[in-house]
Amino acid sequence: AQSVTQLGSHVSVSEGALVLLRCNYSSSVPPYLFWYVQYPNQGLQLLLKYTSAATLVKGINGFEAEFKKSETSFHLTKPSAHMSDAAEYFCAVRTLNNDMRFGAGTRLTVKP
Amino acid sequence: EPEVTQTPSHQVTQMGQEVILRCVPISNHLYFYWYRQILGQKVEFLVSFYNNEISEKSEIFDDQFSVERPDGSNFTLKIRSTKLEDSAMYFCASSSTSGTYNEQFFGPGTRLTVL
Repeated sequence: AQSVTQLGSHVSVSEGALVLLRCNYSSSVPPYLFWYVQYPNQGLQLLLKYTSAATLVKGINGFEAEFKKSETSFHLTKPSAHMSDAAEYFCAVRTLNNDMRFGAGTRLTVKP
Repeated sequence: EPEVTQTPSHQVTQMGQEVILRCVPISNHLYFYWYRQILGQKVEFLVSFYNNEISEKSEIFDDQFSVERPDGSNFTLKIRSTKLEDSAMYFCASSSTSGTYNEQFFGPGTRLTVL
């Protein structure tokens, strides 16, 4: 069964600093991976998705993620954090039944 | 830009009462989903729905839950006799196909509080 694990329930960075949110996956078949963002009192918004076309995936709002099969990872990064990036971030994997399995989420705090 | 909408945004109910959560998926989408997120926990899959029947359901989706597409636009989740542990945020999602890379679009959620 496919699953994802997010390391770190809470990450705090200073404005302008690098953002790194970690996600590791478990899958017996090539995984289909997603990152979603949830702003306070809002739904889930897709940031980016891995489609196997390229290992480095660029998403919205300056975020990107790199698929590393050798490390079974799909970490989310952004070179320079902005105050508006403060939100909850979820890594997810699409299962063979086409539903989504989410990680526990990482809350990103950006300090001025 | 088309979006998934959900009503109500917040529902408060007494334990044992029936609740119906409503969703309007994106108009040309054919696949519909319900997820829930208990406060402070991960988002969990409940059920997927296609062609007027359930495609998949998780172990959470027991006999107390049902889904329906009563007309051409709404997609509902019914909980027959709510329990305290049903308190959660419920998200509806839809997609145009079931393709593996196909994005599921999520609604803003309904926060259900069971007292």
